[in-house]
Amino acid sequence: SQQGEEDPQALSIQEGENATMNCSYKTSINNLQWYRQNSGRGLVHLILIRSNEREKHSGRLRVTLDTSKKSSSLLITASRAADTASYFCATDAISETGRRALTFGSGTRLQVQP
Amino acid sequence: NAGVTQTPKFRVLKTGQSMTLLCAQDMNHEYMYWYRQDPGMGLRLIHYSVGEGTTAKGEVPDGYNVSRLKKQNFLLGLESAAPSQTSVYFCASSYSPGQKSNYGYTFGSGTRLTVV
Repeated sequence: SQQGEEDPQALSIQEGENATMNCSYKTSINNLQWYRQNSGRGLVHLILIRSNEREKHSGRLRVTLDTSKKSSSLLITASRAADTASYFCATDAISETGRRALTFGSGTRLQVQP
Repeated sequence: NAGVTQTPKFRVLKTGQSMTLLCAQDMNHEYMYWYRQDPGMGLRLIHYSVGEGTTAKGEVPDGYNVSRLKKQNFLLGLESAAPSQTSVYFCASSYSPGQKSNYGYTFGSGTRLTVV
């Protein structure tokens, strides 16, 4: 079962605009992470936010976490054509069986038009 | 510094054939993982390992076996391939939870497997 669900599934914007992607999850987490995947490539870690943090920045990325709503958002400011990729949220939590590994959502496909 | 290396990158198998996917990491990570990615479904955990000599089942382990005889290597085996195992397989590695906790997973570039 998927822990995180991204919204929207697809997003198309113009270069220079901001892109916002949302993630909702179901259970308590240790941290939430965002990854980028370019077409045909592996996933690349972007940013990690712990459960006791509310906001984190890294360059043009801003991540927020609301544990009461079990949701997170990823904001990419001043987007570039090179930001075109799929973006995944992943939750770090301990499962009912004691397993601790990242659970990924189905991703948001971002297209930045030059 | 190669990170996580997966071999092979592409493979076509006939139903019933067997194969092994190799994952190697050079970052001295304790944890290693195998995921599969299918269209529209994100990544699903197949098996994982929390250290040399250990393995554990993930979300979708049926039809797969794994071994971690050396810390840097994590092998994924398909004993009798089925068309439902057509997918892109990703290996990843990480520090153990609580160790360098700002770091996420490091992924390989994937193996695209087709079972006909």
